[in-house]
Amino acid sequence: AQTVTQSQPEMSVQEAETVTLSCTYDTSESDYYLFWYKQPPSRQMILVIRQEAYKQQNATENRFSVNFQKAAKSFSLKISDSQLGDAAMYFCAISAGNNRKLIWGLGTSLAVNP
Amino acid sequence: DAGVIQSPRHEVTEMGQEVTLRCKPISGHNSLFWYRQTMMRGLELLIYFNNNVPIDDSGMPEDRFSAKMPNASFSTLKIQPSEPRDSAVYFCASSTSRGATYGYTFGSGTRLTVV
Repeated sequence: AQTVTQSQPEMSVQEAETVTLSCTYDTSESDYYLFWYKQPPSRQMILVIRQEAYKQQNATENRFSVNFQKAAKSFSLKISDSQLGDAAMYFCAISAGNNRKLIWGLGTSLAVNP
Repeated sequence: DAGVIQSPRHEVTEMGQEVTLRCKPISGHNSLFWYRQTMMRGLELLIYFNNNVPIDDSGMPEDRFSAKMPNASFSTLKIQPSEPRDSAVYFCASSTSRGATYGYTFGSGTRLTVV
């Protein structure tokens, strides 16, 4: 079975600054994928970034990047040059093996202060 | 593409009434997922379908909940009778068969309030 833990229920950042959201996971599978989703107040779940476990290179999407530490089973999300529109709930998730299901963390609520 | 379409966006109903939530997945996606989101329990997978066939319904809370997918472009989640503890946001998501690799596309959700 897989588990995902997001240890920071709430975080805040100043506009234009950088913030890192933490996520740790556990799986016995060697083949797995990791995801960060964003849920703004509109409640739409939006895929932000994904990481393939077999790739050592950290994924990057514009201002969003991950720090993937496979041995530590850590998958943190870094948001650079934070914008007011980044304020949202952020969820970390894993899919592993042949299981089609995503296993989710409980989320981190990010506030961006002007 | 219009994305995953859910209706209604909001639903308020009285305890004991039947509630039907609807979902139209993205054309070409063959996996469909129903989730429930609450503050206390986060995102819970209720059921998922692959090629219109229910694969895993272990998350369905009880017999009051039922889900159908009569064809590739439509699914329903029904609650009968509804109870106040069913109040939550219900999401539908769809994916290709590679969804576990590339992630899901979510609808905008239905906020259900049972009074």
